[in-house]
Amino acid sequence: GAGVSQSPRYKVAKRGQDVALRCDPISGHVSLFWYQQALGQGPEFLTYFQNEAQLDKSGLPSDRFFAERPEGSVSTLKIQRTQQEDSAVYLCASTLPRGKREGSYNEQFFGPGTRLTVL
Amino acid sequence: EDQVTQSPEALRLQEGESSSLNCSYTVSGLRGLFWYRQDPGKGPEFLFTLYSAGEEKEKERLKATLTKKESFLHITAPKPEDSATYLCAARSQTGANNLFFGTGTRLTVIP
Repeated sequence: GAGVSQSPRYKVAKRGQDVALRCDPISGHVSLFWYQQALGQGPEFLTYFQNEAQLDKSGLPSDRFFAERPEGSVSTLKIQRTQQEDSAVYLCASTLPRGKREGSYNEQFFGPGTRLTVL
Repeated sequence: EDQVTQSPEALRLQEGESSSLNCSYTVSGLRGLFWYRQDPGKGPEFLFTLYSAGEEKEKERLKATLTKKESFLHITAPKPEDSATYLCAARSQTGANNLFFGTGTRLTVIP
């Protein structure tokens, strides 16, 4: 069906506020990734889910960042007590249609991102 | 440590002026070298995946090639609509299935 969608597209938060960013992956995709992209930089890995299991969260910059994917489809990235350095575009990507073997379909398809600005 | 470096940071070309973008990588056990295009305000759009040295892939005016240390994205007779940031990313056999991205090359094609 449709591609990866993210909401909101833009979010302005005051320092210290909590935010929640949503990702709707491509229907049937098993794997889901979150990346953070600072201005003028390439995306940097935050965390990875396979179905509902969070298999890698090594890229999360602090314990203020939390991600979940409770039913193995929609995912939410939550940032608590936002700081100015959290300002960035947060990208979600999905891959690996159900039934495909890992390694046989590696392309990650990205959503448009959520631009977070912390004042 | 896995690393991906792209050059140049920015490139201005006249319409029709062919050129190449470079992506150097240091990755433990490459499991794919990816090229993406990113337009302002949008997410990266997948272009190519290369898996082994010597492999080449083409799409319209773009051709991607891979050696054991670097990848090139060749742009033949570019048009203004090819203006975008081109991102290179590598996937290694260690760690998760995530991609290590370079910082990108911002391409501007002048009519």
